[in-house]
Amino acid sequence: GAVVSQHPSWVICKSGTSVKIECRSLDFQATTMFWYRQFPKQSLMLMATSNEGSKATYEQGVEKDKFLINHASLTLSTLTVTSAHPEDSSFYICSGTGGQLISYEQYFGPGTRLTVT
Amino acid sequence: EDKVVQSPLSLVVHEGDTVTLNCSYEVTNFRSLLWYKQEKKAPTFLFMLTSSGIEKKSGRLSSILDKKELFSILNITATQTGDSAIYLCAVRGGSNYKLTFGKGTLLTVNP
Repeated sequence: GAVVSQHPSWVICKSGTSVKIECRSLDFQATTMFWYRQFPKQSLMLMATSNEGSKATYEQGVEKDKFLINHASLTLSTLTVTSAHPEDSSFYICSGTGGQLISYEQYFGPGTRLTVT
Repeated sequence: EDKVVQSPLSLVVHEGDTVTLNCSYEVTNFRSLLWYKQEKKAPTFLFMLTSSGIEKKSGRLSSILDKKELFSILNITATQTGDSAIYLCAVRGGSNYKLTFGKGTLLTVNP
């Protein structure tokens, strides 16, 4: 299947700082990328959808000024958690679709575990 | 609001048992239903179902969709300890590629 990578795989930061997470599609062009958040023992919650070259569409309740998403190329999307707080500690997962993938298939990155102290 | 409900939320079985995981959904403009297996990292794709009554099979795993009753089941036969994971059901609806996930079923297979 198609490969999506994320970097870093885990990060610890202090409260008030910003953290950037990268999501790359390695062998396909991801015209659409999705960012999810997963709290312990909870399911994946979609945060936002981004199409290459366009502004991201955020789900209800997700602060667009806090979670900055950039999808400037067909292989890279970034999520920046600004002024992080302990309640932002979570598992962040991206997924991508597009290019030559079978219609509607999404491939997930390995996730980034963020801990805010 | 689109909704996906999975049951049971958790299940403990012994190796060799057969399990059935359930997923029911309410979604506007249904497009497809997907099953994923999640171990410690991100989900890995298992099946995508779009048509009713057609079983998809991969080794000991199989799945089927009933679009009239709005549910799907995932069967795992002759379970192994390596099947222990969270199994996620997701439904795609609407005009974009957005997936709505259920809470998952935590399957534990004991030796």
